Amino acid sequence: GDSVTQMEGPVTLSEEAFLTINCTYTATGYPSLFWYVQYPGEGLQLLLKATKADDKGSNKGFEATYRKETTSFHLEKGSVQVSDSAVYFCALSEKAGNTGKLIFGQGTTLQVKP
Amino acid sequence: NAGVTQTPKFQVLKTGQSMTLQCAQDMNHEYMSWYRQDPGMGLRLIHYSVGAGITDQGEVPNGYNVSRSTTEDFPLRLLSAAPSQTSVYFCASSYGLTYTFGSGTRLTVV
Repeated sequence: GDSVTQMEGPVTLSEEAFLTINCTYTATGYPSLFWYVQYPGEGLQLLLKATKADDKGSNKGFEATYRKETTSFHLEKGSVQVSDSAVYFCALSEKAGNTGKLIFGQGTTLQVKP
Repeated sequence: NAGVTQTPKFQVLKTGQSMTLQCAQDMNHEYMSWYRQDPGMGLRLIHYSVGAGITDQGEVPNGYNVSRSTTEDFPLRLLSAAPSQTSVYFCASSYGLTYTFGSGTRLTVV
């Protein structure tokens, strides 16, 4: 079945450092890809998404490009802030359209130190 | 505020007890789903529904029941709680590729 694999954490960075969180996927067909963020004690919020190959999702300085040739959707940010400390989840929807269900990676904890 | 409302936020159960986690949405979304979040395992799908009267199993359905009698509500029932069901539970509703998550229920089974 379809699956998502994220780099293991925790990731600890100093403020203003460059961030990369790796995400690769296995899917039959053409999934849509997402990054969600979970701040301490809260639910999940959509950070960005991409629905087809070579699409770039971006939001709040974060970016990720849908790479079909490498089945990847790595999350990047050029300069992290302490407020970016959270758990980040990569996810896919099995088809290009709505299926009502998401498949998540295991999550990567990011800690940013001042 | 419009969104997904989960109750209760916290619950402690004894092994063998039953309970229902409530989930309600006011966005008229057709699709709803339940996930559990465990450390190092991300979120795993328990059950989902594509409309009133229609439900299906996800990745980890054992020990849980659901029903969808209305578009708005999608309760999750634990028939006989086990310590392995200690987790954080999230409900979500979706329309297109827009998923809205509730704030979660932290369940401890002792």
